[in-house]
Amino acid sequence: ILNVEQSPQSLHVQEGDSTNFTCSFPSSNFYALHWYRWETAKSPEALFVMTLNGDEKKKGRISATLNTKEGYSYLYIKGSQPEDSATYLCAFLGAGNNRKLIWGLGTSLAVNP
Amino acid sequence: NAGVTQTPKFQVLKTGQSMTLQCAQDMNHEYMSWYRQDPGMGLRLIHYSVGAGITDQGEVPNGYNVSRSTTEDFPLRLLSAAPSQTSVYFCASSPDRAGANVLTFGAGSRLTVL
Repeated sequence: ILNVEQSPQSLHVQEGDSTNFTCSFPSSNFYALHWYRWETAKSPEALFVMTLNGDEKKKGRISATLNTKEGYSYLYIKGSQPEDSATYLCAFLGAGNNRKLIWGLGTSLAVNP
Repeated sequence: NAGVTQTPKFQVLKTGQSMTLQCAQDMNHEYMSWYRQDPGMGLRLIHYSVGAGITDQGEVPNGYNVSRSTTEDFPLRLLSAAPSQTSVYFCASSPDRAGANVLTFGAGSRLTVL
């Protein structure tokens, strides 16, 4: 059974703090890793898709790194703002014919003003 | 550009009733999928399609049917609703049938089965 784990489950930070969280996934048969941002009462919104070991992607104050050999990705938020409060989801896509995303449960981030 | 449009946003059904959740995308995406989201669980794939005329089962297909007669539309049918199908349903699409492109999600449909 393939598992995607995200940690921590939830996080409370103060406005201006920088923060990071982890997505762990199977280190074999890797094809792609997705990151999404999911605000309450809305639908998930894509942040990044990462395919190469050592990949680093950036979108404004949010960046992500990828290590496919050890099976983890970090998401960083620099200078957190209250509008960053959301659940951050990662999803693993394995290689092969069965191309189905396996989702983590997410890290819930609350940024206090 | 509407993206992925889901209807209805809310629906209440009685056990045994049938209904169809509609999903349409105007981005010419090949890949379309249906997920359900339940408290304490990750998004779970119900059915997916890699192109018109092609559908396949996901993780939790029982109790649901789909069809893909056009590239744009991917309806999800509940033939005989059960309380266990109370959930929030998301339709999502992607240009890439191989899955290396991100998904674009619809706004979600909240279904309650009494």
